[in-house]
Amino acid sequence: DGGITQSPKYLFRKEGQNVTLSCEQNLNHDAMYWYRQDPGQGLRLIYYSQIVNDFQKGDIAEGYSVSREKKESFPLTVTSAQKNPTAFYLCASSIVGTSNEQFFGPGTRLTVL
Amino acid sequence: AQKITQTQPGMFVQEKEAVTLDCTYDTSDPSYGLFWYKQPSSGEMIFLIYQGSYDQQNATEGRYSLNFQKARKSANLVISASQLGDSAMYFCAMRVYNQGGKLIFGQGTELSVKP
Repeated sequence: DGGITQSPKYLFRKEGQNVTLSCEQNLNHDAMYWYRQDPGQGLRLIYYSQIVNDFQKGDIAEGYSVSREKKESFPLTVTSAQKNPTAFYLCASSIVGTSNEQFFGPGTRLTVL
Repeated sequence: AQKITQTQPGMFVQEKEAVTLDCTYDTSDPSYGLFWYKQPSSGEMIFLIYQGSYDQQNATEGRYSLNFQKARKSANLVISASQLGDSAMYFCAMRVYNQGGKLIFGQGTELSVKP
């Protein structure tokens, strides 16, 4: 079955630690995205990538970093510079093009202790 | 700047009745797409329906239809014959052609279907 997987489902982090969230897709999509969702809010874009080895900052990129070494993978690192990282993180992918919907993974819920 | 506004934080509807969820958008770009997603309590985002800015007819997908009024910049979602499983958060989103494919989301509307 084609789809997007994210791991882990739940993640706990101590203050000052970097953590990496995994996102893998087997849909052969060129574009991949990372969103953050806070309670009762919509999604905000962190980073996106439309091609391997290239990515762009979204609206709230500070304190986050990404890489895109393979088409299938787009990991997100939440660094210690992110002051309020507790949130729900969603990864998405799509075919490049305005009319194509984004397919979302199941999400990772990050809690800072 | 592009923006999506959903003015209904919460809505109730009786099972088997129709419900309309409001969405207005703001963009100066002539080429854009409008999407509706459903988010159950599990957290996953489920794509429901799409409307392109140049589409002449309103989009429909099963029980979902999009009431697209371009002059008023509104893209309301209509759910017909509501079911208990429709209870969820619903998000309206916009993609602008020259913005790298990113989606801009509204704040969402929580729909509760009563038996």
